[in-house]
Amino acid sequence: GAVVSQHPSWVICKSGTSVKIECRSLDFQATTMFWYRQFPKQSLMLMATSNEGSKATYEQGVEKDKFLINHASLTLSTLTVTSAHPEDSSFYICSANRGQGNTEAFFGQGTRLTVV
Amino acid sequence: AQKITQTQPGMFVQEKEAVTLDCTYDTSDQSYGLFWYKQPSSGEMIFLIYQGSYDEQNATEGRYSLNFQKARKSANLVISASQLGDSAMYFCAMRERQTGANNLFFGTGTRLTVIP
Repeated sequence: GAVVSQHPSWVICKSGTSVKIECRSLDFQATTMFWYRQFPKQSLMLMATSNEGSKATYEQGVEKDKFLINHASLTLSTLTVTSAHPEDSSFYICSANRGQGNTEAFFGQGTRLTVV
Repeated sequence: AQKITQTQPGMFVQEKEAVTLDCTYDTSDQSYGLFWYKQPSSGEMIFLIYQGSYDEQNATEGRYSLNFQKARKSANLVISASQLGDSAMYFCAMRERQTGANNLFFGTGTRLTVIP
């Protein structure tokens, strides 16, 4: 069964509104989670690393004020797309590492965001 | 430079035949991990197989095996006895352990189509 749960699986929102996406590790604690973005027919690109109890680390070119990340507990990270625009429409997917030496990297189900 | 290269945008295989999906990687780290994921049309990322850079044996998981050739920096995925349900996008990914960043770098993916 799924070890990382992401919610919602899809969302449609109006331009200018904010959308929150949740990522939960179900049976393990994750001090670090990762948020990726995937455009249609493209690969996954890392947006940011979510660190429990501290600020997220953003990749170059990713606006931290637009993509707010909160990692309030060892099992939950949230990504909030603020003031969404149509160009923010994409597939967002989170992951967390489990296992000794972080050999296992599991992904949530992904969230398909459409901004209209 | 690209860390992960997948040169096959699309592959076709006859049902019950074996298929090899190519992956080469580029890293200066001595310690790293290589992953393969399957992404069906639903978007979820399904973990298939993992190979550590220090693992001497090629990883195997059921019908999946990883042909790890360290000197050539290649980590090809072999799927034996293909099934119709294997039709999906396949991504090769790498994690560099020495840099301390535990995120994955993904290739551009290969779309596998299994023909009945």
